[in-house]
Amino acid sequence: GAVVSQHPSRVICKSGTSVKIECRSLDFQATTMFWYRQFPKQSLMLMATSNEGSKATYEQGVEKDKFLINHASLTLSTLTVTSAHPEDSSFYICSARGGSGGWWEQFFGPGTRLTVL
Amino acid sequence: QKEVEQNSGPLSVPEGAIASLNCTYSDRGSQSFFWYRQYSGKSPELIMSIYSNGDKEDGRFTAQLNKASQYVSLLIRDSQPSDSATYLCAVSMEYGNKLVFGAGTILRVKS
Repeated sequence: GAVVSQHPSRVICKSGTSVKIECRSLDFQATTMFWYRQFPKQSLMLMATSNEGSKATYEQGVEKDKFLINHASLTLSTLTVTSAHPEDSSFYICSARGGSGGWWEQFFGPGTRLTVL
Repeated sequence: QKEVEQNSGPLSVPEGAIASLNCTYSDRGSQSFFWYRQYSGKSPELIMSIYSNGDKEDGRFTAQLNKASQYVSLLIRDSQPSDSATYLCAVSMEYGNKLVFGAGTILRVKS
């Protein structure tokens, strides 16, 4: 299998606070994880690529100091949205590469819906 | 910026019919191609992957790839109302590398 979990599934926070989202590959080791953001009625936009034990690679236009990514182990990556603002409200989805289908296929977690008040 | 283009739809088909979803990509060097299904409010689910020219079948789904035309399609046979979702085409320049997603095609299967 290729199961990816995310926690929390939904979070509401006040403006200025920080929020941490966890992404775990449950039944395989993921050397690479990806973080996406999806606004309503839009497609997925890649935010960053996270490799275990190294610094994340951020896409152009994504603030690395605002969206902190840590990939501490082969099964866990975290995304911390620092000093969140209402415009950061979105659906955040992680994916992990690997699993039974092949190391180049990406499997997505269930997503985290962030609402910043 | 690499582009992946899809008709946004909605594509409406009657139950039991064949749904045909199309995708074109701009980067001729693209190596791997994927179709994901996304239900409203949920994350994408991998349906098919294809890496070489031709057809690849898995149950009711068939993916078709034509690298010369930079075109990839997904056929859904015997469409069911539960197939109603947004279908995302994703392309990668290298195996295992980051994916570029199309905007998605909304499919509606009417019973």
